[in-house]
Amino acid sequence: DGGITQSPKYLFRKEGQNVTLSCEQNLNHDAMYWYRQDPGQGLRLIYYSQIVNDFQKGDIAEGYSVSREKKESFPLTVTSAQKNPTAFYLCASSIWGPSSYNEQFFGPGTRLTVL
Amino acid sequence: RKEVEQDPGPFNVPEGATVAFNCTYSNSASQSFFWYRQDCRKEPKLLMSVYSSGNEDGRFTAQLNRASQYISLLIRDSKLSDSATYLCVVNIAHSGGGADGLTFGKGTHLIIQP
Repeated sequence: DGGITQSPKYLFRKEGQNVTLSCEQNLNHDAMYWYRQDPGQGLRLIYYSQIVNDFQKGDIAEGYSVSREKKESFPLTVTSAQKNPTAFYLCASSIWGPSSYNEQFFGPGTRLTVL
Repeated sequence: RKEVEQDPGPFNVPEGATVAFNCTYSNSASQSFFWYRQDCRKEPKLLMSVYSSGNEDGRFTAQLNRASQYISLLIRDSKLSDSATYLCVVNIAHSGGGADGLTFGKGTHLIIQP
């Protein structure tokens, strides 16, 4: 089955530690995205990538880093510089093209809790 | 400034009723519009795209009013399984697809009661 997988589903981290969230897709999509969702809030874009070896900052990139070494994979690292990392992290992917109606498909998300 | 506004609800609606909610957007350059559905503690999933002519999919109807900058979602004959949070999403598309142009509303929480 084609889709997006994220792991782990739940993650606990001690303050001051870096942690990497995994995102893999087999939909052959060029574009991948990372969002953060806080309770009662909309999704906010952290980083996105349109093509392998290239990525762009979103609205709230501070304290995060990404890499895009393979088309299928777009891992997100939450660094110790992120002031309030506890949140629900969602990865998505889509076709990249001129249409503005390209659907974004989401993974099941990772719930990160900083202890 | 990118902004998408929704009434957070909750909307408590009896099963079988019709319910409608709106979403307003502030950027007149917005080019595409969507309704996503998000179940509790799950990922969002596309419910329907919203086109200028409006569109219907079974019990769901979406409409776009560019002059007043709002989109609407109408659900007829509501089912218990319609209970979810409905996210309004607006895309200010730039060249190449506009990944950075997607703005999500905070969602409207709908509860269908038996």
